[in-house]
Amino acid sequence: NAGVMQNPRHLVRRRGQEARLRCSPMKGHSHVYWYRQLPEEGLKFMVYLQKENIIDESGMPKERFSAEFPKEGPSILRIQQVVRGDSAAYFCASSPRTVSEAFFGQGTRLTVV
Amino acid sequence: AQSVTQLDSQVPVFEEAPVELRCNYSSSVSVYLFWYVQYPNQGLQLLLKYLSGSTLVESINGFEAEFNKSQTSFHLRKPSVHISDTAEYFCAVSALRDAGNMLTFGGGTRLMVKP
Repeated sequence: NAGVMQNPRHLVRRRGQEARLRCSPMKGHSHVYWYRQLPEEGLKFMVYLQKENIIDESGMPKERFSAEFPKEGPSILRIQQVVRGDSAAYFCASSPRTVSEAFFGQGTRLTVV
Repeated sequence: AQSVTQLDSQVPVFEEAPVELRCNYSSSVSVYLFWYVQYPNQGLQLLLKYLSGSTLVESINGFEAEFNKSQTSFHLRKPSVHISDTAEYFCAVSALRDAGNMLTFGGGTRLMVKP
């Protein structure tokens, strides 16, 4: 059973471009969480999704950021018109159900130049 | 809302010495408590967790943490550290009503074990 897979591991984008980060949860996991880790800071919750539904997006910036978890395929975190301040490590976690351990992926390190 | 404070951003310690990484939290509701470890350029791995029951929880690699409700603390300890314990350690909480997975993290403590 492969772990949580995130790709790409590293992503470089120029200011104004779009960034798409993918997360494939562990087999059998229907809950996905996205976190952002800014340099020298802890992780900050962004969004919680179940299949085809956004459950809680209280940590998502109001503009330029969106997330989805379609019925088929990975969860996608999309950042439009990236700015330098978006440079961070983005981590995805998944769990099979509520009140259970969340398993983290290795993260995608986004650098905006 | 919850918040987590890790009082030390860096903790240097010699190999085989004991270590304590401090974590305090605030919350208006009951919480679950977690410690995660992050090795360089890797994701987070769950080290240990407190959900209910005994307030002292242990990991398989010698770490332990004690939940102190009155002091709202969940400090992490190890009686004798190894070089391989060098990593970043994150304390996290989750409100019970959030079902344990929408985590609020502290800023992290970098444990640096020296030979």
